[in-house]
Amino acid sequence: GNSVTQMEGPVTLSEEAFLTINCTYTATGYPSLFWYVQYPGEGLQLLLKATKADDKGSNKGFEATYRKETTSFHLEKGSVQVSDSAVYFCALSDRYSGGGADGLTFGKGTHLIIQP
Amino acid sequence: DTAVSQTPKYLVTQMGNDKSIKCEQNLGHDTMYWYKQDSKKFLKIMFSYNNKELIINETVPNRFSPKSPDKAHLNLHINSLELGDSAVYFCASSQSMLAGGLGLLNEQFFGPGTRLTVL
Repeated sequence: GNSVTQMEGPVTLSEEAFLTINCTYTATGYPSLFWYVQYPGEGLQLLLKATKADDKGSNKGFEATYRKETTSFHLEKGSVQVSDSAVYFCALSDRYSGGGADGLTFGKGTHLIIQP
Repeated sequence: DTAVSQTPKYLVTQMGNDKSIKCEQNLGHDTMYWYKQDSKKFLKIMFSYNNKELIINETVPNRFSPKSPDKAHLNLHINSLELGDSAVYFCASSQSMLAGGLGLLNEQFFGPGTRLTVL
């Protein structure tokens, strides 16, 4: 079956620090990979995505590269802000096999706290 | 606004009651989902509907019954509520991609969530 493993939180950083949140996956097919962000009291928003090996997703200063050889999709940002404080979820979707609409398989989420 | 909307946002009820959560999307998507987020923030797929047909039904008690009257709506009815049903329930939608049989994006758009508290 599919699974996503991401680093446990909370992760606490100072403003302007470099951020890495690790994510590795196991999938039976050739998945698409996503990072979603959940701000306090809100729903999930797609942060970035990648659909094939070596693709780099980027948005709002965040980046993640689809690494098939290491089955990883680590999230990085060069300089974090207080407003980046949220829970970050790594997720995968297996390839559509002509019959179904795949639910996303999520990691357990990483709570990021940025201090001024 | 184009979005996925859910009602109610908060739902507090007694054990044993029956309740429903409604979801609507106006994105023109053909697939809708229900997810459950527990107190530790873990998200798990419950159901998926594609063009009003049930596609995914994970190991969920049969007290939970999704209903899709049309492509834009997927409601969740819960019978005989239990304490363990307390959670945040998220609705989502996506447009299934059929590009040459390759499963591309399946980018899902989420509603704001419904926080269910069973007392």
